[in-house]
Amino acid sequence: DQQVKQNSPSLSVQEGRISILNCDYTNSMFDYFLWYKKYPAEGPTFLISISSIKDKNEDGRFTVFLNKSAKHLSLHIVPSQPGDSAVYFCAASPSGSARQLTFGSGTQLTVLP
Amino acid sequence: DAGITQSPRHKVTETGTPVTLRCHQTENHRYMYWYRQDPGHGLRLIHYSYGVKDTDKGEVSDGYSVSRSKTEDFLLTLESATSSQTSVYFCAISESSGPQNIQYFGAGTRLSVL
Repeated sequence: DQQVKQNSPSLSVQEGRISILNCDYTNSMFDYFLWYKKYPAEGPTFLISISSIKDKNEDGRFTVFLNKSAKHLSLHIVPSQPGDSAVYFCAASPSGSARQLTFGSGTQLTVLP
Repeated sequence: DAGITQSPRHKVTETGTPVTLRCHQTENHRYMYWYRQDPGHGLRLIHYSYGVKDTDKGEVSDGYSVSRSKTEDFLLTLESATSSQTSVYFCAISESSGPQNIQYFGAGTRLSVL
């Protein structure tokens, strides 16, 4: 049973437009959420995070929104650039020791020039 | 980039042989993790360590063992490799387990078990 779900395996967006990547979770104990970006043949790199006490966190072109009641978070990228083309993973962790991350299956974003 | 080195980067082995993957960090971080990435599953935690000689199991630990004799090194061993262990393996490190903990990943090891 996947506790973190990314239901869209792929997404294509025109350069300059907004990209919206979605993530749903089922475990109410999750209180910290992260987005990672992954290019082929490289490890995931941290992008942005949000604590459950917030509903929005912004960093430049990237904004993460958290809707706790719906157990849903989304990553907005605006404006999208061709270099943003990558696989995006949503991850969540519960409070407690070691902060184990549970990842979604990823969404392949393609930004078309 | 966080100072994380995984070795080897690629390995092909035969079913039934032992395999050891190494993760080396230069950040002196306390926590280290091993994940595997498979299509449709994202990254799944195999084992993690919260200090020298302190390790614990993750979601998919069967068939794997780990050791951490020094802060900087975390080894993942497949005692008898099987084809189902063909995957890309990532090591990650983190400084603390606090609320703002972020894990940083190595470049990965692609393992093929024939």
